Amino acid sequence: DGGITQSPKYLFRKEGQNVTLSCEQNLNHDAMYWYRQDPGQGLRLIYYSQIVNDFQKGDIAEGYSVSREKKESFPLTVTSAQKNPTAFYLCASSMGQKYTEAFFGQGTRLTVV
Amino acid sequence: AQSVTQLDSQVPVFEEAPVELRCNYSSSVSVYLFWYVQYPNQGLQLLLKYLSGSTLVESINGFEAEFNKSQTSFHLRKPSVHISDTAEYFCAVTKTSGSARQLTFGSGTQLTVLP
Repeated sequence: DGGITQSPKYLFRKEGQNVTLSCEQNLNHDAMYWYRQDPGQGLRLIYYSQIVNDFQKGDIAEGYSVSREKKESFPLTVTSAQKNPTAFYLCASSMGQKYTEAFFGQGTRLTVV
Repeated sequence: AQSVTQLDSQVPVFEEAPVELRCNYSSSVSVYLFWYVQYPNQGLQLLLKYLSGSTLVESINGFEAEFNKSQTSFHLRKPSVHISDTAEYFCAVTKTSGSARQLTFGSGTQLTVLP
């Protein structure tokens, strides 16, 4: 089945550590996105990528980094510079041309302990 | 830039009653509009979308939404809700042109269906 796979589903991190969240898609989509979700705030865009080897900052990129070395993969690293990293992180993808909708993964819940 | 306002953060309703979840948007360019549904600890699932054509769009599970360009609204309605409709609902927009199609979301409406 085609879709977006995020792993792990739950992640615990100690303060001061970097952590990488995985996002893989087999939909052959050109564009991929990372959103952060906090209670009562909806989803906010962290980074997005329109094509391989290219990505742009979203609204809340500080403390995060990404790479797009393969079309299928768009990992997100939460660095120690992110002041409040505890949140639910959602990855999405969409067609580059003839856009109809974005497809979402099941999310990763990151907790800093 | 676009913005989306969902006027109600919580909507409690009794089973089999009608419901309306409100969504208004602001944009200087043409947009596509979406409603997504989220169940606890899960990702977002597309409920319905307006891209073009008829301003009234329907989902397979009885929800409908009407695009009103003059009022910049895209309210979601269902004539009779079920317990299983309990979830959080997000309205979102993206511009119709250009290569970057990031979504702008509202803050969400928690629909709770009571027995």
